[in-house]
Amino acid sequence: DAKTTQPPSMDCAEGRAANLPCNHSTISGNEYVYWYRQIHSQGPQYIIHGLKNNETNEMASLIITEDRKSSTLILPHATLRDTAVYYCIVKSGGGYNKLIFGAGTRLAVHP
Amino acid sequence: EAGVTQFPSHSVIEKGQTVTLRCDPISGHDNLYWYRRVMGKEIKFLLHFVKESKQDESGMPNNRFLAERTGGTYSTLKVQPAELEDSGVYFCASSHRGFSGYGYTFGSGTRLTVV
Repeated sequence: DAKTTQPPSMDCAEGRAANLPCNHSTISGNEYVYWYRQIHSQGPQYIIHGLKNNETNEMASLIITEDRKSSTLILPHATLRDTAVYYCIVKSGGGYNKLIFGAGTRLAVHP
Repeated sequence: EAGVTQFPSHSVIEKGQTVTLRCDPISGHDNLYWYRRVMGKEIKFLLHFVKESKQDESGMPNNRFLAERTGGTYSTLKVQPAELEDSGVYFCASSHRGFSGYGYTFGSGTRLTVV
């Protein structure tokens, strides 16, 4: 599975959009981009995933560049409860493949 | 539907003792994964079951760790004998067989402290 690069930390004001970047320049054609987050000491939580089209769900939007070498997770209106470590993971489809977590981005949402 | 359940939520044991962690996946999920996070380190994969079979156990640190999933339902992870470096949070996750379109569902974890 391809490696990903994320900034170690980011800040965001409450109510503003949080844009979390991820580089995955070695991604291959059958690999998806997944985003998870871990709030404090809870278990990781699935947020969203995509292959090449932009995706949106009730939690977030995922923007994938045309060359698929990078992506951005957007939390449109960040709240204090969105403070967490966000992980960008590249993985081929199929439940047989394990998730490989990196260091992630620690997002701090402040009032 | 009920989520992934892990028990106990916390465990404090002495070095040399044995501890067994349990994970109940979402009903019908064939895939079950164990991960752990040692303090200050990244979340690391331990092993993966498909039903009752071990699909990938490449992340198991040593033979003091034994995972089972009898009958393809719940799973246990036994550490025997426990060492100080085994302290951390152990997470279990489950997913449907095949393409996991909505990702993996993780439990809340078991925080293991070996003293």
